[in-house]
Amino acid sequence: DVKVTQSSRYLVKRTGEKVFLECVQDMDHENMFWYRQDPGLGLRLIYFSYDVKMKEKGDIPEGYSVSREKKERFSLILESASTNQTSMYLCASRSALPAETQYFGPGTRLLVL
Amino acid sequence: AQSVSQHNHHVILSEAASLELGCNYSYGGTVNLFWYVQYPGQHLQLLLKYFSGDPLVKGIKGFEAEFIKSKFSFNLRKPSVQWSDTAEYFCAVNVPSGSARQLTFGSGTQLTVLP
Repeated sequence: DVKVTQSSRYLVKRTGEKVFLECVQDMDHENMFWYRQDPGLGLRLIYFSYDVKMKEKGDIPEGYSVSREKKERFSLILESASTNQTSMYLCASRSALPAETQYFGPGTRLLVL
Repeated sequence: AQSVSQHNHHVILSEAASLELGCNYSYGGTVNLFWYVQYPGQHLQLLLKYFSGDPLVKGIKGFEAEFIKSKFSFNLRKPSVQWSDTAEYFCAVNVPSGSARQLTFGSGTQLTVLP
C-alpha cells in the first residue's frame, strides 16, 4: 500500500511565523503535490514537483514556497504565516507514468492566529 | 483555464435511495477523470477513475460513473446508498500542465445519508 505521511495533523501558529509542513511518501513516486482544502472551494493546487529539486507553481502559490531535496520528501513553507492561510493542507504523490492515481496524505489542519 | 463543476453542494438522502452526483468539466482535449471520496476524519481516497475504453466505470463500494464525452460529464451513481456512504465526494480532471499532468478538482459534494 502506498503511504503518504504528513508531519503534523494539527498545527497552531501565530501571524508572521515561518511554518514548515513536511510530507513523505514511500513509493518512489516522481511527482508530489501540495493542496489546500477549504469548504466550498474543493482542493486547490499550491505547488507541485515532478522530480528532485524541480517545482512548478500551481493555482495559488502566493505566500508559499516549496522544497524537494530528496525524492521522498516534499516540504511546504509559509515564509510569514497569515490568518488567511488557515486551512487544511493535503500532500499527494503519484508515479510519473501515464494514467496513474494520486495518493493523498491525512492532511495538516493549520490554524494561524 | 480548465474547470470542474459539481452542481450539488450538499445532498441528503435516505438509506436505499439512489444517488447521482453531477460533474462537468471544461477541457476540450483528452482527459483522465476521477472521483475521490473523503469519509469523516479520513484521507482522500480514490473511488474510481476513467482513462480510456468503456465509458461506464465501476469503482469500489458499488459506485459507478459514466463518461459522456459530448456532454463533458462524468456523473457518479449508486443504485442504493448506505449510511456509511456519508462523505464528501470530489470529481477531478487530469489535464496537462508543464512536465506533469495535474489534477483540477471540483468544489465537492457533501453527501449525508440518513438511517
